[in-house]
Amino acid sequence: GEEVAQTPKHLVRGEGQKAKLYCAPIKGHSYVFWYQQVLKNEFKFLISFQNENVFDETGMPKERFSAKCLPNSPCSLEIQATKLEDSAVYFCASSQAGVSYGYTFGSGTRLTVV
Amino acid sequence: KNQVEQSPQSLIILEGKNCTLQCNYTVSPFSNLRWYKQDTGRGPVSLTIMTFSENTKSNGRYTATLDADTKQSSLHITASQLSDSASYICVVNGGNNRKLIWGLGTSLGVNP
Repeated sequence: GEEVAQTPKHLVRGEGQKAKLYCAPIKGHSYVFWYQQVLKNEFKFLISFQNENVFDETGMPKERFSAKCLPNSPCSLEIQATKLEDSAVYFCASSQAGVSYGYTFGSGTRLTVV
Repeated sequence: KNQVEQSPQSLIILEGKNCTLQCNYTVSPFSNLRWYKQDTGRGPVSLTIMTFSENTKSNGRYTATLDADTKQSSLHITASQLSDSASYICVVNGGNNRKLIWGLGTSLGVNP
């Protein structure tokens, strides 16, 4: 399709629980990017993929965050042992040709950790 | 340090009026500059992408300008509509690792 589909739209987790977010990029787009937006402030880059390979993971808090993009499956972002400060909207974007080209964003997953 | 600063932080205008939003950046090297519109509860939607050689780019009632010498950009909205109420975010693609560097956005409210 021509939109980036993110699921679920909302997710509530107790502190310490696991959270898993999904992103289906636009068909034919080979780059996927994950961003975190806290309280409508700036977008914090987490990780990017070129197809199923990690392209840039310099923004990932590696001790609790992990992500995958496997063939024929939605990409996923998983947070183990969530903390209150993980509460944010997580956006996925895809791009046809890479970092320097246009991105199409999904509508985001709002994660609330209570 | 690579930074993008936007002004004003927020703005309220009457429907039908024009407005101009500003973006100053200190990103080097520079690849491109983007303006995004983000409606409440939605993901950002691209309005324009401008490279070093482009001075002006339009998308309907939105016109972006870029002065790569002074490292300034503006987004001009003509004949505003209620649906223009949103956050407008300036993003620069650049730096040694060619990342997207995000501004904090200008929150625009259009009142009837």
